[in-house]
Amino acid sequence: AQTVTQSQPEMSVQEAETVTLSCTYDTSESDYYLFWYKQPPSRQMILVIRQEAYKQQNATENRFSVNFQKAAKSFSLKISDSQLGDAAMYFCAYRSTGTASKLTFGTGTRLQVTL
Amino acid sequence: DTGVSQNPRHKITKRGQNVTFRCDPISEHNRLYWYRQTLGQGPEFLTYFQNEAQLEKSRLLSDRFSAERPKGSFSTLEIQRTEQGDSAMYLCASSLVSGRIGELFFGEGSRLTVL
Repeated sequence: AQTVTQSQPEMSVQEAETVTLSCTYDTSESDYYLFWYKQPPSRQMILVIRQEAYKQQNATENRFSVNFQKAAKSFSLKISDSQLGDAAMYFCAYRSTGTASKLTFGTGTRLQVTL
Repeated sequence: DTGVSQNPRHKITKRGQNVTFRCDPISEHNRLYWYRQTLGQGPEFLTYFQNEAQLEKSRLLSDRFSAERPKGSFSTLEIQRTEQGDSAMYLCASSLVSGRIGELFFGEGSRLTVL
């Protein structure tokens, strides 16, 4: 079974600065998908960014980018120019290509953004 | 499009009672998922439907749990003979089969407290 590990329970960043959230995963599969989801306080979880394992190019979505290291099974999220609205729980998630839809989530990293 | 709606948002019940949660997905979405999230953990997959068919169930879904999606629209998750360990946030999500792989649209969740 696949596992997703987020070793940083909490992180803090100053507004306008850059922060990197870490994620590692364990799988024996060669093709899969990885995601970062954001869960703001008392609001629904939303997809931030996704990466397809067969693509070598790191995904980017505006201020959010990933560093995908397939051999190391590492998938970190970089948030540039942090904003107060980025404060949330961030979950790393894994999805096999074989199963129809199940996502396996990590335990999350709580990001605080300070002035 | 009003997003994924879940009711009730909060439920407090006594051990041994039955509870039912309802999820209304985004109207055109044909896939619907249930996840459970306990404090300090990421969401754990429970089950998912494609239209009215329940296609996958987690081992977490004991025989006290039952989910339905009649007519492929809204879904209900019933927990019978609740136990204190059932206390959690129950998240519903929906997606399109033809949508971006792994992009789930979550509701705000239904929080269950079992006394």
